[in-house]
Amino acid sequence: QVQLVESGGGVVQPGRSLRLSCEGSGFSFNKYGFHWVRQAPGQGLEWVAMISYDASNKYYADSVKGRFTISRDNTDGTLFLQMNSLRPEDTAVYYCAKGAEHFYDSSPLDTWGQGTLVTVSS
Amino acid sequence: EMVLTQSPVTLSLSPGERATLSCRASQSVGSSLSWYQQKPGQPPRLLIYDVSNRATGIPARFSGSGSGTDFTLTISSLEPEDFAIYYCHQRRNWPLTFGQGTRLEIK
Repeated sequence: QVQLVESGGGVVQPGRSLRLSCEGSGFSFNKYGFHWVRQAPGQGLEWVAMISYDASNKYYADSVKGRFTISRDNTDGTLFLQMNSLRPEDTAVYYCAKGAEHFYDSSPLDTWGQGTLVTVSS
Repeated sequence: EMVLTQSPVTLSLSPGERATLSCRASQSVGSSLSWYQQKPGQPPRLLIYDVSNRATGIPARFSGSGSGTDFTLTISSLEPEDFAIYYCHQRRNWPLTFGQGTRLEIK
């Protein structure tokens, strides 16, 4: 079945870096755009970044622009989020999510992973 | 950035009752409005996309309506499993945004 599995979360000090991964299976990974969405403890959802099916387009929330980089490896079926200069306010569960429509940058998010927790604390 | 404002923040109802959740956008989103359901400890689940289309496997008691800046998610007769947090989401403009959520709780 269609599945997304995140990994790479953990506890990191402010100013340090972390790289999240998201493995997709059960579908043609290279046909879809992907997103990262985060949720701080007890808070709502915040969209973070999006990458198009061929990595030609990337979009970011203002809160992470210049610090986070989204990328993908279509040969391995894996999505990444490189997070640099981490701040305490980046503490959240990070979800990867798949776009519903082939080749569209902006489409509904029809499949979500279970999330990986990132805690930024000294 | 497009702001989505959901109301009410909390909605207290009983099973069998009708639920009406609202989402207002700071500018027109056209038809690029989706609704997600999230239960504790779980990721969000897509319920409704493009204002009124039910996602795969979503029961018919869930429906969406609206246009432009005002949208509604209706649950016609609440089942015990429907008590959760609901988020609206726009994909019309970058950056994409979510509403702050409506918590639907058992009265």
